[in-house]
Amino acid sequence: DVKVTQSSRYLVKRTGEKVFLECVQDMDHENMFWYRQDPGLGLRLIYFSYDVKMKEKGDIPEGYSVSREKKERFSLILESASTNQTSMYLCASSLVLLSYTFGSGTRLTVV
Amino acid sequence: AQKVTQAQTEISVVEKEDVTLDCVYETRDTTYYLFWYKQPPSGELVFLIRRNSFDEQNEISGRYSWNFQKSTSSFNFTITASQVVDSAVYFCAHWFSGTYKYIFGTGTRLKVLA
Repeated sequence: DVKVTQSSRYLVKRTGEKVFLECVQDMDHENMFWYRQDPGLGLRLIYFSYDVKMKEKGDIPEGYSVSREKKERFSLILESASTNQTSMYLCASSLVLLSYTFGSGTRLTVV
Repeated sequence: AQKVTQAQTEISVVEKEDVTLDCVYETRDTTYYLFWYKQPPSGELVFLIRRNSFDEQNEISGRYSWNFQKSTSSFNFTITASQVVDSAVYFCAHWFSGTYKYIFGTGTRLKVLA
């Protein structure tokens, strides 16, 4: 089975810190995604990558950037964390666009 | 624009009851896919079913069944004889050809009480 691993399950950071959320998949998938999940809002796409060093903005990219230097790793970066970025972050990967595998999520709290 | 509505925010049932989770979608596309995902307390979204816009045949898989009706733009999910392990958040999602992303509903939290 494809495994998508997010490095941290829970994370607490201070306002203004630079935060890295890491995601690794082990099945050579081209496509990787970062979603944010908030109560009452469902999942919203932050960024998407369809190949190494390639990225596309999703619906809510403001305040975030991403890095994909290797195929298996897709990092989400909060340049200067703010309290409104407190959320659950979910990473996903796919070989074909109709079949996602999700990680277990990182619950980030910014204080 | 595409939109997915899950009007039920939270549902509580007693074990062994049947429960239906509603999903209504809006789309102008003729070719699209609809999905249901389950998110247990562990956090990862688990794929349950995918249905394309040309296949309105209902599906049953064990205690799960899905009713897709294009006439009402609905893709409802029924759990028969619910169990405590069914407790989770369930998401309905829409994907249309020519895009790279899903449109997710806001989710329905199902609590099955013993």
